[in-house]
Amino acid sequence: DAGVTQSPTHLIKTRGQHVTLRCSPISGHKSVSWYQQVLGQGPQFIFQYYEKEERGRGNFPDRFSARQFPNYSSELNVNALLLGDSALYLCASSFYGGAVETQYFGPGTRLLVL
Amino acid sequence: GENVEQHPSTLSVQEGDSAVIKCTYSDSASNYFPWYKQELGKGPQLIIDIRSNVGEKKDQRIAVTLNKTAKHFSLHITETQPEDSAVYFCAAVGSQGNLIFGKGTKLSVKP
Repeated sequence: DAGVTQSPTHLIKTRGQHVTLRCSPISGHKSVSWYQQVLGQGPQFIFQYYEKEERGRGNFPDRFSARQFPNYSSELNVNALLLGDSALYLCASSFYGGAVETQYFGPGTRLLVL
Repeated sequence: GENVEQHPSTLSVQEGDSAVIKCTYSDSASNYFPWYKQELGKGPQLIIDIRSNVGEKKDQRIAVTLNKTAKHFSLHITETQPEDSAVYFCAAVGSQGNLIFGKGTKLSVKP
C-alpha cells in the first residue's frame, strides 16, 4: 500500500518566482494538510483541506495558497518566493481531518530559494 | 497562542539505556498527542500517540504518558538501540485540527 507521495523531491528557485508542490494522499484518505519545516524546527501548519474545501489555515501570508482536487490530491502554491521560504514542505493525510485522527506524512519537498 | 514546548533539545544515551523526552502544551482543549520520529532526509513517521481519555500507552519499547491536569506528556524509550537515533517531535492538536509541534529532540544512541 502506497503511503503519502509528494513531488518533486527537490526544487531550486530564485527569489520572485512561484512554485507548485504536489501531494497524493493515502488511498481512502479525504483530508490533506500542508506543513512547512524550516531547518532545525518542528513543522508549522499552513493549510488543511477536506473534500476540496479549506478547513483550516495557519499564520502564513497570502502568497501561499492551496487546493484539493476531486481525487483528493492537493497542490500547494507559493508566489513571489522569498529566501525565507526555503524549507521542507510536508504533506500529511488522514481520513477526515478530525481532531483526534492520525496524520500520516509524506517524505516532503525540499525547496531552496536563491 | 497555541504552543508546545519540548525538552531536551538534544539527548545522548548509551545503547541499552532509557531515554525520556518531555513536552508541555498550552491549549487545555487539546485531546490528541502524537509522537513522530524523523530521520535525516525523511518525513516524520508516527511512532505512538495518546488520546486524552487514557493516561498511558505502551508499544514494545516505547511508552507515552499524559497528565492533562498539568498539561504534560512524555515519551519513554527503553533499551535504546543505535537505530533509535533520530529527531523526535511531540505534537498536540490545535483549534483547527492541525498539529502543533514542539521544536524537536535530537536523540543520539551510542553503541
